Amino acid sequence: VQLVESGGGLVQPGGSLRLSCAISGITLSDNYINWVRQAPGKGLEWVSIIHADSVKGRFTLSRDTSKNTLYLQMNSLRPEDTAVYYCAREDPTLHDGLDIWGLGTMVTVSS
Amino acid sequence: DIQMTQSPSSLSASVGGRITITCRASQSISNYLNWYQQKPGKAPNLLIYAASSLQSGVPSRFSGSGSGTDFTLIISNLKPEDFATYYCQQSYSIPRTFGQGTKVEI
Repeated sequence: VQLVESGGGLVQPGGSLRLSCAISGITLSDNYINWVRQAPGKGLEWVSIIHADSVKGRFTLSRDTSKNTLYLQMNSLRPEDTAVYYCAREDPTLHDGLDIWGLGTMVTVSS
Repeated sequence: DIQMTQSPSSLSASVGGRITITCRASQSISNYLNWYQQKPGKAPNLLIYAASSLQSGVPSRFSGSGSGTDFTLIISNLKPEDFATYYCQQSYSIPRTFGQGTKVEI
């Protein structure tokens, strides 16, 4: 089982990026995949598309089941969005613990 | 949102020693508490789920306990590879939230 993130890079404030989480060994439609980010030198932050004021209205999720890939569309990026973005599988048999992680992709928002 | 508070934020320990990290939730989360280990430049690794269940492949020197709002991670007989940062996370409700982390140093 493998999760592979891609799509990170350097973007100016106000710009957009689309991150991908390509999944192999399991089926996207049968699993719940989270995005977790980590700003440089900081702790882990679960990326809540719906609940977090910090990303609400700017980040959206989509999926392509034919490619077994999850996407995180990030618009109106801010310097505080600078972080490594991980995708991780949430396993209900492990009390929803995140048992499989990708290596992460770095997003830098800077002019 | 449920707030998760870890303590201490950092600690020093010796190889062969024993450490305790605590995590407190701002409201009851039953046993929906997970612990992760993260080494520099690496993704986190799930150590313990459901407060006290050891994830497959994790050494038995790691143990967890607690329920409700107060939880503990204990690492016994510290090995050099255990020096890392540890995070608790609640999976009781959305949004999932993490503690701020505890850095374990030699």
